[in-house]
This record gives sequence, structure tokens and C-alpha cells, in this order.
Amino acid sequence: GENVEQHPSTLSVQEGDSAVIKCTYSDSASNYFPWYKQELGKGPQLIIDIRSNVGEKKDQRIAVTLNKTAKHFSLHITETQPEDSAVYFCAAKTGANNLFFGTGTRLTVIP
Amino acid sequence: NAGVTQTPKFQVLKTGQSMTLQCAQDMNHEYMSWYRQDPGMGLRLIHYSVGAGITDQGEVPNGYNVSRSTTEDFPLRLLSAAPSQTSVYFCASSSPRKGYEQYFGPGTRLTVT
Repeated sequence: GENVEQHPSTLSVQEGDSAVIKCTYSDSASNYFPWYKQELGKGPQLIIDIRSNVGEKKDQRIAVTLNKTAKHFSLHITETQPEDSAVYFCAAKTGANNLFFGTGTRLTVIP
Repeated sequence: NAGVTQTPKFQVLKTGQSMTLQCAQDMNHEYMSWYRQDPGMGLRLIHYSVGAGITDQGEVPNGYNVSRSTTEDFPLRLLSAAPSQTSVYFCASSSPRKGYEQYFGPGTRLTVT
């Protein structure tokens, strides 16, 4: 099956700085790569996603890049704010409905 | 729309007891899934369904049963609870008509003693 690795497990940045979280996947058939934000006591919420036919996607302060050859994708958050503090998960989809998640990154933005 | 709803929010079981975690969605999504979330392990797929009457196993299906008699509901049954099933359980729904984005419920925190 698919194996998704995520780094780092924890990340602290100063408010206004950028944060980068990286993931690798193993199954070349994976074709959909979402990123989720999870706040304490809540379910994961999709913040951005990218499909295998696209190399980069941006939505305001958030961007995702995908390198299919190297099988890795990254989340970039610019101008971080305290409300960005949360746990972030990457995932890769194979088959009809199988999402495989990374182990999560706890991001702390220091005011 | 309420989105994806789950009940109960919290549950404590004794080893060997059975129970059903409820999940419902009002978005007319074809696909529904159950995940468990354990510390340091991300979310792992237990079972999923691509439509009413159709279910399949995910990564960690042992000890759990599911059924999908309607589009809206996808209950998860624990037949004989074990301490290893202590976890937070999330239900999600998605639709191929809407790009497969998965919408998650708020979760059920289950403790088995």
C-alpha cells in the first residue's frame, strides 16, 4: 500500500515568517494530494489540495508544490499568523477513496 | 447543511462490550469512510463505502464492521471492544462529482478499559 512520510513533526516559527512542511509518498499511482489542518478537538479540515497533473497551486498565503518524479510534495505558508498554529496533515490518494495520511506536523506560530 | 455529524462525542467501554458509532451526512455524497487517529500515527482508514450497499476494507479493518443501507448513514460497529481500539474515530464523506475532497466529522473519542 501507499506510505506517506511527513517532516518535521514539530515546527516553531516567529509570526510573519514562512513555514514549510514536506511529505514523500511511495505509490506512483497516487493522483491527489490534499493538506488538512486540525485544530484541537476538531476534525481535519481541507486547506489546499493538488492533483498529479499540476506542479504548483496557491491560495493566498498557502501554496503546495508537487514533484511527481521525486514523489514529494510540500506545503508553504507565508506571513504566518498565530491562528495558523495547529496540526497539519498531508495525504495521498490511491484508488477510489483511499487516503493515506502522514503523521502530522504541529506548527506553533510565536507572536 | 449540517455536513458530517457523528455521535456520540465521547464513549467509555469495558473490554468485550459492543457498540455502534453513528455517522450521517446531508451532502448527498456517494463516498463515506471511517478513520481512526492515534497519537503519532496520523489517520488510518478502517472501512469505506463508495455507495449504498457497497463497503470495503481499509488499512486497519480488524475488529470493526460497517454497513451502508442508505446514502446518508454509515455506522461503525465494534463487536467486542479491546483496549487497542482506544482512539479518536473520524467519519468522512466525499463525492467524485466534487473532486474527492473529504469532509470530516467532529470525531468520537473512544476509551476502552
